[in-house]
Amino acid sequence: GQQLNQSPQSMFIQEGEDVSMNCTSSSIFNTWLWYKQDPGEGPVLLIALYKAGELTSNGRLTAQFGITRKDSFLNISASIPSDVGIYFCAGQLSGGSNYKLTFGKGTLLTVNP
Amino acid sequence: NAGVTQTPKFQVLKTGQSMTLQCAQDMNHNSMYWYRQDPGMGLRLIYYSASEGTTDKGEVPNGYNVSRLNKREFSLRLESAAPSQTSVYFCASSYDRVEQPYEQYFGPGTRLTVT
Repeated sequence: GQQLNQSPQSMFIQEGEDVSMNCTSSSIFNTWLWYKQDPGEGPVLLIALYKAGELTSNGRLTAQFGITRKDSFLNISASIPSDVGIYFCAGQLSGGSNYKLTFGKGTLLTVNP
Repeated sequence: NAGVTQTPKFQVLKTGQSMTLQCAQDMNHNSMYWYRQDPGMGLRLIYYSASEGTTDKGEVPNGYNVSRLNKREFSLRLESAAPSQTSVYFCASSYDRVEQPYEQYFGPGTRLTVT
């Protein structure tokens, strides 16, 4: 199936630092979604992006839909301990089924207080 | 609103046993999905239902069956459990309206161990 390459696989940062992670693909996507999963819980939708070049914020989180439509970025500013978790990107493939999302394998974020 | 709910939260089965995982959503969403999550594999789609009365196979459907009982409920059945089906199972739903076409909302998961 289609692959989304998410990097980095894991990050260990100090509280207060900014974080950046990204997803890339060789295929074109119509939609990019970013999720966060806390330990023992289901993924929670953070940000949805629908247009190439779109930049959207949700509190300290900012995500961008890459202009080539093959990538997306998520930035977290001034990290805090509750930002700990796994962050997933997901995309809806151009020309693909409306109902199927392709998921990255996640970035594990650890924040040291 | 409770969102997406799943039962049970934990389950241990012996090889060959059967069970049904239940999922319900109260958001009036049209589409519902079942995923499994395994270490290093990410989320993989098992089955989905675009509307009441329809179901389609996803990426890893073998060994599973589903039923879209009504608009709210979508169940996943393991007829004869195998150790390879040890995983965390997530149900999700989406509205699929023009403004928010692909946003999927997930339940808390069912942690299944097959011995």
